[in-house]
Amino acid sequence: GDSVTQMEGPVTLSEEAFLTINCTYTATGYPSLFWYVQYPGEGLQLLLKATKADDKGSNKGFEATYRKETTSFHLEKGSVQVSDSAVYFCALFIFSGGYNKLIFGAGTRLAVHP
Amino acid sequence: ETGVTQTPRHLVMGMTNKKSLKCEQHLGHNAMYWYKQSAKKPLELMFVYSLEERVENNSVPSRFSPECPNSSHLFLHLHTLQPEDSALYLCASSQERGLAGELFFGEGSRLTVL
Repeated sequence: GDSVTQMEGPVTLSEEAFLTINCTYTATGYPSLFWYVQYPGEGLQLLLKATKADDKGSNKGFEATYRKETTSFHLEKGSVQVSDSAVYFCALFIFSGGYNKLIFGAGTRLAVHP
Repeated sequence: ETGVTQTPRHLVMGMTNKKSLKCEQHLGHNAMYWYKQSAKKPLELMFVYSLEERVENNSVPSRFSPECPNSSHLFLHLHTLQPEDSALYLCASSQERGLAGELFFGEGSRLTVL
């Protein structure tokens, strides 16, 4: 079935370090792919998305490229800040049975230290 | 108010209690979702309502009973829960046939079953 696999956390970085969080997926067809972020004590927020192969989603300095050949959607940021500390979820979108459905990975916790 | 609002934010209940979680969205969406978030596990989709009709019930035990009286409100009725049901329950909404995959989440209700 459709699924998402993320690298296990926590990921601990110093401020201004480079970030990569790996995400791979298994799906029939060509799903849209998403990264959501959950800050402490809050719900999930959409961070970025890509709807077709080779698309690059970007927001707040984060980027991810939809790679069909490797079924991947890795999240990257060139210089992280303390305020980026959160849990990051990779997800794939399916439109099935007449409604939207998101399938999430387990989440990767990022901790950024000054 | 804007966005997706969940109440209560925290709930502690015994295994014989009956309680309800409430979700309200002010975004004009026509689909609503319940997800369960447990530590170190992917978000689990529990229920989906599209146009106030339940369209998905993801093998959830009958001790969880959803209700969607209108497109703005969603409830999760809880009865004779087990300690392993302790988790963060997230409500989300989306516009069907709109921006594919973009779900808007509430901040969650943290449930502890004693």
